[in-house]
Amino acid sequence: GQQLNQSPQSMFIQEGEDVSMNCTSSSIFNTWLWYKQDPGEGPVLLIALYKAGELTSNGRLTAQFGITRKDSFLNISASIPSDVGIYFCAGPKISSGSARQLTFGSGTQLTVLP
Amino acid sequence: DVKVTQSSRYLVKRTGEKVFLECVQDMDHENMFWYRQDPGLGLRLIYFSYDVKMKEKGDIPEGYSVSREKKERFSLILESASTNQTSMYLCASRPGGVNTEAFFGQGTRLTVV
Repeated sequence: GQQLNQSPQSMFIQEGEDVSMNCTSSSIFNTWLWYKQDPGEGPVLLIALYKAGELTSNGRLTAQFGITRKDSFLNISASIPSDVGIYFCAGPKISSGSARQLTFGSGTQLTVLP
Repeated sequence: DVKVTQSSRYLVKRTGEKVFLECVQDMDHENMFWYRQDPGLGLRLIYFSYDVKMKEKGDIPEGYSVSREKKERFSLILESASTNQTSMYLCASRPGGVNTEAFFGQGTRLTVV
């Protein structure tokens, strides 16, 4: 099936450190979405990527659409306490006809230590 | 701004009760989804709907049903709640088209005792 393998599953970092996480798939994706879920809240979109090789930034966040279209990376620079949460990658599920569904990675739980 | 609103943030229900979780979106999106989220298991799709009165099963539909009588509203029904349905439930909506994002509600934390 069309699965997204997200790693690492969890990270404990010191405030101020940079963070990197990634998603890979055996299938090609035409869109990569990165979401963040604050504790007790619903996920919110951080960055959307639409072209292979695309590099997009949103403040301290940078995401890249892999050139093979089978992977994507999210980097967070100079982490702060409010970066705590679960980060998900997602992409349209091609097998679902008109791609109505999104496939989600299993999430990366980020903890920032003071 | 797109808004997806879930009717409750927290619910406590008894085993065997019929439970309704309501979700409303204000952006005329075609597609609406119900997920449950459990530690270590990510987001698992229960049901989704791509039009009024249309529904499709997701990955874990057992023990659940849904209703979409109006485009803006998508309800998740637990016919007879059980303790293994204690979870975080997330509603999402998404416009038509391949390269579109999903917008999530704030989540409902359901505890079945």
